[in-house]
Amino acid sequence: EAGVAQSPRYKIIEKRQSVAFWCNPISGHATLYWYQQILGQGPKLLIQFQNNGVVDDSQLPKDRFSAERLKGVDSTLKIQPAKLEDSAVYLCASSLDTIAGYEQYFGPGTRLTVT
Amino acid sequence: GNSVTQMEGPVTLSEEAFLTINCTYTATGYPSLFWYVQYPGEGLQLLLKATKADDKGSNKGFEATYRKETTSFHLEKGSVQVSDSAVYFCALKAGSARQLTFGSGTQLTVLP
Repeated sequence: EAGVAQSPRYKIIEKRQSVAFWCNPISGHATLYWYQQILGQGPKLLIQFQNNGVVDDSQLPKDRFSAERLKGVDSTLKIQPAKLEDSAVYLCASSLDTIAGYEQYFGPGTRLTVT
Repeated sequence: GNSVTQMEGPVTLSEEAFLTINCTYTATGYPSLFWYVQYPGEGLQLLLKATKADDKGSNKGFEATYRKETTSFHLEKGSVQVSDSAVYFCALKAGSARQLTFGSGTQLTVLP
């Protein structure tokens, strides 16, 4: 079974530029998560989708971050414009459903450096 | 709110040494508790979990017991290997919350 795929793996941009990340979850997984992991900290949830609907985006900085999951499969996360403090690893995860017993499977992440 | 406090790293051990990584939590209701591991260049993987008090999660020689009285979920392994070198994250999922709350992670390096 293929795992969660993310691209690109690494991205370096200057502040005020925009950037987009892509995630392809495990086939059949209804729930998709985007996390931000700043160096030295644990992952923090940015947004959670159930199929193509948003379940929780309470910690997403909506003035600069946006995400979509068209057709309930792939998802993109965009930052526009980027700030220095956005430097982090962006992790995508998926699970069969939101029920507590279902495991979240994580992708390898995209490491973003904003200079 | 929910929070997880992990033992600060990095932790460096010799092969075959005993490992303990401390984890304590604060949560509303009765959380499920998890340990995730992140090997270099890879995504987080679930290592073990426990869903109620006194449960013991175990996998690959690692164990952790859900202690409600001390609100702890310490990770242990009797004899570590070089291949166990990774970052370990304690996490919880409480009540109706849909998200995982993670600790800050503990870097483990095992030397041959």
